[in-house]
Amino acid sequence: QVQLQESGPGLVKPSEILSLTCTVSGYSISSGYYWGWIRQSPGKGLEWIGSMYHSGSTYYNPSLKSRVTISVDTSKNQFSLRLRPVTAADTAVYYCARVYGSGTYYRSDYWGQGTLVTVSS
Amino acid sequence: QSVLTQPPSVSAAPGQKVTISCSGSSSNIGNNYVSWYQQLPGTAPKLLIYENNNRPSGIPDRFSGSKSGTSATLVITGLQTGDEADYYCGTWDTSLSVYVFGTGTKVTVL
Repeated sequence: QVQLQESGPGLVKPSEILSLTCTVSGYSISSGYYWGWIRQSPGKGLEWIGSMYHSGSTYYNPSLKSRVTISVDTSKNQFSLRLRPVTAADTAVYYCARVYGSGTYYRSDYWGQGTLVTVSS
Repeated sequence: QSVLTQPPSVSAAPGQKVTISCSGSSSNIGNNYVSWYQQLPGTAPKLLIYENNNRPSGIPDRFSGSKSGTSATLVITGLQTGDEADYYCGTWDTSLSVYVFGTGTKVTVL
């Protein structure tokens, strides 16, 4: 069974870097699929951040592209999200997910439980 | 502001049927597959429907999806109290080069 688990600081100061890691079990990242991040502001809907294929190609939400980096570490079976600089508007629950396909076939078929990141001084 | 519009809420009695619509445009729903996600209170979203009308393993056939033109629909039959959740549609937007989610619909079982 594929499982994903987010980890990282729950509190980040404004203008600093938000850094999260997703650890995957039950499936080897290097075997394929895209790996992505989605966030949900408190009481709001879902926002796609971006995704990355295990070999390196990436897709980012244009509204966040200048601040986002997604990377994969196949040796640890993890992938990561970096967002900088952050503001209070980046406060959200961040989910990592396995992504099937790209473009028209895109769907997130396995999700982590999510981690709340609060941006505050 | 999402490019996919859903009704904020729908409700029905146990055993009844609810229909959730998702309205988009030719750059998203009109030319790409639609997925549906269920988010139970306090939990992560779960894939419910993919490629317009396919269910992942383990999803009961009470959940069904369809697409026509630039709109998609999720139907839940035999409504159960455990179906109370937020439901989101999602699809790729070719013009924006972004995956977009719908505004979300809260299902209440009366």
